[in-house]
Amino acid sequence: AQSVTQLDSHVSVSEGTPVLLRCNYSSSYSPSLFWYVQHPNKGLQLLLKYTSAATLVKGINGFEAEFKKSETSFHLTKPSAHMSDAAEYFCVVSDRSGGSYIPTFGRGTSLIVHP
Amino acid sequence: DTAVSQTPKYLVTQMGNDKSIKCEQNLGHDTMYWYKQDSKKFLKIMFSYNNKELIINETVPNRFSPKSPDKAHLNLHINSLELGDSAVYFCASSQEGGRGYEQYFGPGTRLTVT
Repeated sequence: AQSVTQLDSHVSVSEGTPVLLRCNYSSSYSPSLFWYVQHPNKGLQLLLKYTSAATLVKGINGFEAEFKKSETSFHLTKPSAHMSDAAEYFCVVSDRSGGSYIPTFGRGTSLIVHP
Repeated sequence: DTAVSQTPKYLVTQMGNDKSIKCEQNLGHDTMYWYKQDSKKFLKIMFSYNNKELIINETVPNRFSPKSPDKAHLNLHINSLELGDSAVYFCASSQEGGRGYEQYFGPGTRLTVT
C-alpha cells in the first residue's frame, strides 16, 4: 500500500529566505508524485509533478522538487520565499491499487511567511 | 471560463436532511473525483468515475451516493446528514485516471451540518 508522510505540519520562514517542505513516500511500484498548493478558502492547484523523467522537476512560481528513489523522498524547495507563498502544501503519490491509480495525499504542510 | 465548478459554494443544513452537491468540468477530461477535506485540512478521496463508470469507491458510508449523468458532470448526494459530515468537499478532474495525470480542483463546497 502506498503512503505519504509530510514531515512538518508547519514551516515558518522569513520573506526572502529559502523554503524546504519535506515529503517521504512509500510505494510498491513506480509512483507518480505531485505537489499541490491550497491558498486560504481556495481549491488546490498543481505546483509540479514527477512521472519518471528528469528527477529534478521545476514547477510554477519558482518551486522545484527532486525525486530521490534511494531516500524515497520528494522534497519541495524554493530559493526565496514571497509573502504570497503562504498557503497549505500537499504532497501526493499516485500508484496502482487493484486496477486503478489512487492518489494518496499527505496531511499537508502550512507555510508561514514573515515579513 | 471556470474549468471545474461546484454548486453550491456553501451549504448549511440540519441533521437528517438530504442534500446534493453538483460538479461540472469543461476540460474534456475523462475522470472525475470527489474528496472530503476535514477541519485539519486532511484530504481523503471518496469516489472516482472514469467515463461515467465508478472506478474508485473508498470506505465511505452508503449514505453518500455519487452520480455521473455524463463525463462532464459528477454529483454527490448525501442522505440523512450527520454532524460528522461537516467538511469541505472538493470535486476534481483529470485527463485520465492513470498514474501521471494531474488533477484540476474545483473551489470546494463547505458543508455545515447543525
